[in-house]
Amino acid sequence: AQTVTQSQPEMSVQEAETVTLSCTYDTSESDYYLFWYKQPPSRQMILVIRQEAYKQQNATENRFSVNFQKAAKSFSLKISDSQLGDAAMYFCAYRSPTGNQFYFGTGTSLTVIP
Amino acid sequence: DAGVIQSPRHEVTEMGQEVTLRCKPISGHNSLFWYRQTMMRGLELLIYFNNNVPIDDSGMPEDRFSAKMPNASFSTLKIQPSEPRDSAVYFCASSFGRRPSPYGYTFGSGTRLTVV
Repeated sequence: AQTVTQSQPEMSVQEAETVTLSCTYDTSESDYYLFWYKQPPSRQMILVIRQEAYKQQNATENRFSVNFQKAAKSFSLKISDSQLGDAAMYFCAYRSPTGNQFYFGTGTSLTVIP
Repeated sequence: DAGVIQSPRHEVTEMGQEVTLRCKPISGHNSLFWYRQTMMRGLELLIYFNNNVPIDDSGMPEDRFSAKMPNASFSTLKIQPSEPRDSAVYFCASSFGRRPSPYGYTFGSGTRLTVV
């Protein structure tokens, strides 16, 4: 099975500043999908952004962007202009092209300091 | 669309009792997933269905766990008998398509199960 590693259990950022959350994964497949999910205290899992491995261009969704380095198997999430509402647990996830399930990392807890 | 609906939101039960968690996927989604989330193990896939058929149940911990999907709009996860180590948040998620797609899951709000 693929493994997804988030090496930062906790991160903090000042409001309005930028923070980057790290994610690496291990796979032998050449085509796959990568995702970042946000889980606020409400417990709801919310899709933040996704990246198709065959696309070289990094995905962007408003203040959220990724740095996808396929050769390095790295998929970091950058949050710009951090807001208090960004405080949450963030999960990186891998989806295989040959299966329907996701593989999740262990999560990074983000604190936003006012 | 109301999203993926799970019930109950919280469940507290005594050890040995039967627990049934319920899920209504998004209309039109044909894949349904049950996950368990704990601090120690993170998010674990328990089972997933495609077109109401169980495809992979290798994540189901043991025979005490069972899941059904009698139709496209309803699924249950049952634990009988429950044990304290089953305490966790159980998520249901749904998705469209069996073949790999760029679409992510849509998760329900989860059921927090506490077995005392």
